[in-house]
Amino acid sequence: QVQLQESGPGLVRPSETLSLTCSVSGGSISSYYWSWIRQSPGKGLEWVAYMYYSGRPNYSPSLKNRVTISVDTSKNQFYLNLTSVTTADTAVYFCARDPGGTRRFDFWGQGTLVTVSS
Amino acid sequence: SSELTQPPSVSVSPGQTGTIACSGDILAGEKLEDKHGCWYQQKPGQSPVLIMYQDTKRPSGIPARFFGSKSGSTATLTIRGAQAMDEADYYCQAWDRTTASYVFGPGTKVTVL
Repeated sequence: QVQLQESGPGLVRPSETLSLTCSVSGGSISSYYWSWIRQSPGKGLEWVAYMYYSGRPNYSPSLKNRVTISVDTSKNQFYLNLTSVTTADTAVYFCARDPGGTRRFDFWGQGTLVTVSS
Repeated sequence: SSELTQPPSVSVSPGQTGTIACSGDILAGEKLEDKHGCWYQQKPGQSPVLIMYQDTKRPSGIPARFFGSKSGSTATLTIRGAQAMDEADYYCQAWDRTTASYVFGPGTKVTVL
C-alpha cells in the first residue's frame, strides 16, 4: 500500500519561501504523476502543481510565478517551494498521486498545516 | 471557463437518496480521456478519499450506494440509502486540457438527518 507523508515547517514568515517534502513509501515514485494540493482553513481544495517523475512540471495558473515542484527518484521524494508567501498561503498542504496520468488522485498524504505569520 | 460548480450544501434523510451535481465546460472536453470527472469525500480533519473516477467507476472498498453518472457537461454523484457516516464534504474534480491543470469544484457539504 502506497503511503505519502508531508513534512516541513509549520510556520513561515511573510515574504519568505515555503518548502515542503513528500516522502513516498510502499511503492516507487517512478511512473506516476505527483501533485501538491492545498486547502485554506474552512475552504475547498486547490490544486497547486504536478510533475511526472521524469517530465516537465506544470503549475496552477494562479501560482505559477511563485511555485516550483521537483522530484528526487533516488530518495523517493518530491518537493514544493512557494516563494514570497503571504497570509493567503496559509493552508493544509497535501501531496497526492495520479496513477499514470489518469487525471485523478488515488493516494493522498495526511496533510501538513503551514501557517504564514510574522 | 475552467470552473466547476457545485451546490454548497445538500441535505438527505437517512436511508434516502441524495444527489450532487457538478457542472463545467471542462467536463465536455474534446477528448474522451479529458472529459471524465471524479469525486472525493472528505471528513473533518481527514484527507480526501477518491470515491468515484471516470464518471462512474468506484475504487475498491467504496460502498455500492455511491453511484456516479455524467451527461454532457454535468457529472452527478448519487448516494442511495444515505447513512450517517456519509456526512462529509464532497468535491468533484476534472482536468482542464487547455491549461493542463486539475480543477476542483468548490465542494458540497452533505448532511444526513
